[in-house]
Amino acid sequence: KQEVTQIPAALSVPEGENLVLNCSFTDSAIYNLQWFRQDPGKGLTSLLLIQSSQREQTSGRLNASLDKSSGRSTLYIAASQPGDSATYLCAGQGGATNKLIFGTGTLLAVQP
Amino acid sequence: GAVVSQHPSRVICKSGTSVKIECRSLDFQATTMFWYRQFPKKSLMLMATSNEGSKATYEQGVEKDKFLINHASLTLSTLTVTSAHPEDSSFYICSARDSGGLVSYEQYFGPGTRLTVT
Repeated sequence: KQEVTQIPAALSVPEGENLVLNCSFTDSAIYNLQWFRQDPGKGLTSLLLIQSSQREQTSGRLNASLDKSSGRSTLYIAASQPGDSATYLCAGQGGATNKLIFGTGTLLAVQP
Repeated sequence: GAVVSQHPSRVICKSGTSVKIECRSLDFQATTMFWYRQFPKKSLMLMATSNEGSKATYEQGVEKDKFLINHASLTLSTLTVTSAHPEDSSFYICSARDSGGLVSYEQYFGPGTRLTVT
């Protein structure tokens, strides 16, 4: 059974800092790994999707990597801004169920 | 493109009543839609997979008679919470998989529906 966890659960950084969010999964047989952003009381915004054949994806200040062998993915945010404050969720899809299994989330606060 | 809407965005109902939540794919067809539930400060938990024209597949522990799912068309799935109780209060989010998309497994998420049962 796929389990996805995220560390840390919460993170507070000053504006301008680079940061890394971690995601680990137990079943390496995944089709893809996706990172989402969720603002309070809102739905999900897809940030990056990494297919199993890829190692990383980049979009603007965001870079996500995937290491299937170690069961880990990281989301790197460069030059953080207060507008980046949100909950970040990773989700793995695939394996026996082909379902999207969400991690526990990291609550990010970027202080101005 | 790939927009998913949910209606209503917020609903308050009395205990014992039923509430219907709609999930629509606005600019694509979705043979498969998913319903998630999210408790405050918690992650999303998959409740069921909705397939157009057939019965939904429910996750372990989710009562199918409590959470009725109908996926009658390629652009609409509905979740009905029957005989709602305060413990059903939650944030319900749907997602849809683009049947004709290049990335067949990518899901697009709706904005969510906040249900409060008094």
